Amino acid sequence: QKEVEQDPGPLSVPEGAIVSLNCTYSNSAFQYFMWYRQYSRKGPELLMYTYSSGNKEDGRFTAQVDKSSKYISLFIRDSQPSDSATYLCAMRRSGGYQKVTFGIGTKLQVIP
Amino acid sequence: EADIYQTPRYLVIGTGKKITLECSQTMGHDKMYWYQQDPGMELHLIHYSYGVNSTEKGDLSSESTVSRIRTEHFPLTLESARPSHTSQYLCASSGGTSAYEQYFGPGTRLTVT
Repeated sequence: QKEVEQDPGPLSVPEGAIVSLNCTYSNSAFQYFMWYRQYSRKGPELLMYTYSSGNKEDGRFTAQVDKSSKYISLFIRDSQPSDSATYLCAMRRSGGYQKVTFGIGTKLQVIP
Repeated sequence: EADIYQTPRYLVIGTGKKITLECSQTMGHDKMYWYQQDPGMELHLIHYSYGVNSTEKGDLSSESTVSRIRTEHFPLTLESARPSHTSQYLCASSGGTSAYEQYFGPGTRLTVT
């Protein structure tokens, strides 16, 4: 069983829609939860991170972590064609150096 | 935008050739990483480094080797390329205690014929 499960999609939505991207995980020791965005032929770039449980908002993006359910989400409001990319969830344990475990990524297409 | 560079961006090479994928960062980060990314698969860590003269193998077994002689430079070498080495190779770096925030290069897409 994979430590991090993520639906690869693809997910197609019309411009302006609210997008919900999700990951589940099995390792209860994970404390840092990240979302990376990867455009075609580019490396991933960090979009948001959250430590432990709770919500974090940054402009049109909201990250949520529910540690009791081992479930994390990324919401994109008023989605734009420029949001079309692959979104990877990632997580790691706290303390010293800990490797980051990535999800498979969800491919999102926002249609004008 | 992150200052981490990878060359070449694309490489097509024959079986048995020796290749070196270059990775450099100008952010002074102490930690650097090499990942392998195949279509429909997660990023897999193949090598990492905490600092100069420090290198470790990652989770995914790889026939490649790395070196870290300078802080800013983390090259990956394949002594004898094989078709099974065909993949996207991503280099990343992070600084201080912030291992959660990794800055990625654009990647090298390697095809071995």
